[in-house]
Amino acid sequence: DAGITQSPRHKVTETGTPVTLRCHQTENHRYMYWYRQDPGHGLRLIHYSYGVKDTDKGEVSDGYSVSRSKTEDFLLTLESATSSQTSVYFCAISGTGWSQHFGDGTRLSIL
Amino acid sequence: QQQVKQSPQSLIVQKGGISIINCAYENTAFDYFPWYQQFPGKGPALLIAIRPDVSEKKEGRFTISFNKSAKQFSLHIMDSQPGDSATYFCAASKETSGSRLTFGEGTQLTVNP
Repeated sequence: DAGITQSPRHKVTETGTPVTLRCHQTENHRYMYWYRQDPGHGLRLIHYSYGVKDTDKGEVSDGYSVSRSKTEDFLLTLESATSSQTSVYFCAISGTGWSQHFGDGTRLSIL
Repeated sequence: QQQVKQSPQSLIVQKGGISIINCAYENTAFDYFPWYQQFPGKGPALLIAIRPDVSEKKEGRFTISFNKSAKQFSLHIMDSQPGDSATYFCAASKETSGSRLTFGEGTQLTVNP
């Protein structure tokens, strides 16, 4: 399995609080992605990174920011969490090929 | 805007039967079509993928059929087993490094023993 670790695996927080999710890889892959998974929507891309400090928006980026200061770490931040951001968040990585490998997700509940 | 449409949402098959999941895409620039399998509590795992220069790809009991003119592709699971019970996602992207995947909505497959 690709070396991807997401933390935390579960989190419950309140509306309006900031939340940061972490994705850590040991594969030294260039590309990293954040998706959210919701019933009836499949997986939707939030942000992605094509190198250290190089990031771009996906299709559902509003309310989210990302940072990548090291090859191995990609952080997703919800500056002020809302109930609509309750979801399961997945990190993925890819290298020189085109296939993506996923972590096991973070289940985030915002009350 | 959903660029990849997947059906059915759920599918129940008897052990030994054939499971068929269909996807249709809109963007003709897509040239890489993977299928992912996801078990509860786990991330999606790449199952099989196809490029549009072939009409079919087979790996064990799993086959992708591809129809470029119709912009459709499907996953066939032969001799379905209870262990195949999972959620399946089709996806599409351009075949370049770092290309972004567009996913279908997912199909929850249940194989009864």
